Amino acid sequence: AQSVSQHNHHVILSEAASLELGCNYSYGGTVNLFWYVQYPGQHLQLLLKYFSGDPLVKGIKGFEAEFIKSKFSFNLRKPSVQWSDTAEYFCAVKGYGNKLVFGAGTILRVKS
Amino acid sequence: DTAVSQTPKYLVTQMGNDKSIKCEQNLGHDTMYWYKQDSKKFLKIMFSYNNKELIINETVPNRFSPKSPDKAHLNLHINSLELGDSAVYFCASSQGGGAVAYNEQFFGPGTRLTVL
Repeated sequence: AQSVSQHNHHVILSEAASLELGCNYSYGGTVNLFWYVQYPGQHLQLLLKYFSGDPLVKGIKGFEAEFIKSKFSFNLRKPSVQWSDTAEYFCAVKGYGNKLVFGAGTILRVKS
Repeated sequence: DTAVSQTPKYLVTQMGNDKSIKCEQNLGHDTMYWYKQDSKKFLKIMFSYNNKELIINETVPNRFSPKSPDKAHLNLHINSLELGDSAVYFCASSQGGGAVAYNEQFFGPGTRLTVL
């Protein structure tokens, strides 16, 4: 069965700091990988996705993620965070059967 | 606006009651989903319908019954509500729901259900 592990549950950063949120998944087959963001009081929105091709994926708002197949990882990065990036971030993997499996989420708080 | 919408946004009810949550998408998608987000913010899929046909049915009590009158709607009916049903329920949709589907899921705003 597919599973997703997000290493940090809470991250606190100052504005302009660099961000890296870890995501590892367990599934042996072909996967699609996603990062979703949930801003306070809002619904889930897609940040970026990986289906195939270049393992370095660029998303909205300056976020990027790198798929490293050998490490079963899909870490999310942003070189310089802003206060408006305060949100909860969910990594998700989709393998066979179109079932999207989410990680437990990482709450990011950016101090201004 | 094109979107996935859910009603109601908040639902507070007593144990033992029966309630429904409605979901509609006007994105023209053929697949819809229900997810449950528990108090620890853990999101887990419950059901998925493709062209009104049930394709994913996770281990969910049979008190939960999804109904898809057409491709644009997927309603969730819950009988005999229990305290543990309190959660946020998210509806989502995507185009393509088969074994290999390369399309993202779009989520609704969520319905916060509180069972007293």
